[in-house]
Amino acid sequence: SQQGEEDPQALSIQEGENATMNCSYKTSINNLQWYRQNSGRGLVHLILIRSNEREKHSGRLRVTLDTSKKSSSLLITASRAADTASYFCATDAGGSEKLVFGKGTKLTVNP
Amino acid sequence: EAGVVQSPRYKIIEKKQPVAFWCNPISGHNTLYWYRQNLGQGPELLIRYENEEAVDDSQLPKDRFSAERLKGVDSTLKIQPAELGDSAVYLCASSSGTGFTKNIQYFGAGTRLSVL
Repeated sequence: SQQGEEDPQALSIQEGENATMNCSYKTSINNLQWYRQNSGRGLVHLILIRSNEREKHSGRLRVTLDTSKKSSSLLITASRAADTASYFCATDAGGSEKLVFGKGTKLTVNP
Repeated sequence: EAGVVQSPRYKIIEKKQPVAFWCNPISGHNTLYWYRQNLGQGPELLIRYENEEAVDDSQLPKDRFSAERLKGVDSTLKIQPAELGDSAVYLCASSSGTGFTKNIQYFGAGTRLSVL
């Protein structure tokens, strides 16, 4: 079963705009990660946020975590066509070493 | 440093035929994962290895799926016999370290299986 649910399922924006994706999960976590998957490729780790952190930045990425609402968001600023991909959140499902992925948000950035 | 290598990239077989996938993890990574990813879904864990020991195979359909990781490095995942519903992308990932860093996984490009 999949723990996380990303919202929206699909998002289409113009280059230069910001993209925001949300993730909700069900059980307590120690950390939450975001991964990117380009079409026909494997997943690439983007950022990890621990349960005691509320916000984290990495380049054009900003991730927030609200453990009281069991939700996280990924913001990509000044998007580029190369950001076109599917984005998945993954949780450690109660602190286990097993990652549980959501269904993903498919982002299309139009040039 | 080479990433996780999987082969083949694509495989087309007829139902009831056997199929095998191979994975070479990042050098030094003790933990290896096999996932199945259906179209439009996130990856779902099939089996996790710590070195050569399978520590979580609860999601592996053991009637037709088998896996091994001899010598704690390369791994193979086998399906015999394949069914139409097995069509998916099979992803291999590896990780290392301790604590929360161990949760960061590095994925191969996957094997896309089509069962006709």
